[in-house]
Amino acid sequence: GAVVSQHPSWVICKSGTSVKIECRSLDFQATTMFWYRQFPKQSLMLMATSNEGSKATYEQGVEKDKFLINHASLTLSTLTVTSAHPEDSSFYICSASPRGRGPEAFFGQGTRLTVV
Amino acid sequence: AQKITQTQPGMFVQEKEAVTLDCTYDTSDQSYGLFWYKQPSSGEMIFLIYQGSYDEQNATEGRYSLNFQKARKSANLVISASQLGDSAMYFCAMRTQYNFNKFYFGSGTKLNVKP
Repeated sequence: GAVVSQHPSWVICKSGTSVKIECRSLDFQATTMFWYRQFPKQSLMLMATSNEGSKATYEQGVEKDKFLINHASLTLSTLTVTSAHPEDSSFYICSASPRGRGPEAFFGQGTRLTVV
Repeated sequence: AQKITQTQPGMFVQEKEAVTLDCTYDTSDQSYGLFWYKQPSSGEMIFLIYQGSYDEQNATEGRYSLNFQKARKSANLVISASQLGDSAMYFCAMRTQYNFNKFYFGSGTKLNVKP
């Protein structure tokens, strides 16, 4: 299957600081990547669709200025949580679905963010 | 609107026995795909099995099989000969032809395999 790598796998930051999470497609080019958020014991909630070379598409209720997404190349999308607060603590996971590699989505390892 | 429903928050199964995890879906699209993912405590999402809406045969992948009943809009996952390593969260998901990139996930089922 295709390989999606996410970094870091966990991060602890102070309230008010910003945190950047990277999502890379290692063996394919991804014009589109997806960012999800998952609270403990809950399902994955799609936050936004990251589009290479253009603006991200955010789901309803997701703050664009809070969760900045940049997809500057065909293999890298970044999610920046700006001015993080404890309520932003969550598990963030990215995915991509390369054409011709099967119908499934391939996920990164996820990033566990804790804001203290 | 697209929706995935998993009504079993938690399930227990004895090691070596079979277990069925329920999933129902709702969509007005004629072409869609159904997926099951496993999420262990480490958090990674592991793809298990896929069923296309036009597939006449139920999908199978090793110990996993998908019981697809189109008229009832159900796509239950059957795990045969459960192993301790099967203990994890299991998510049913769907994507449709008209919004190909978007996955809709159910709320998940926590499976515990008892020795």
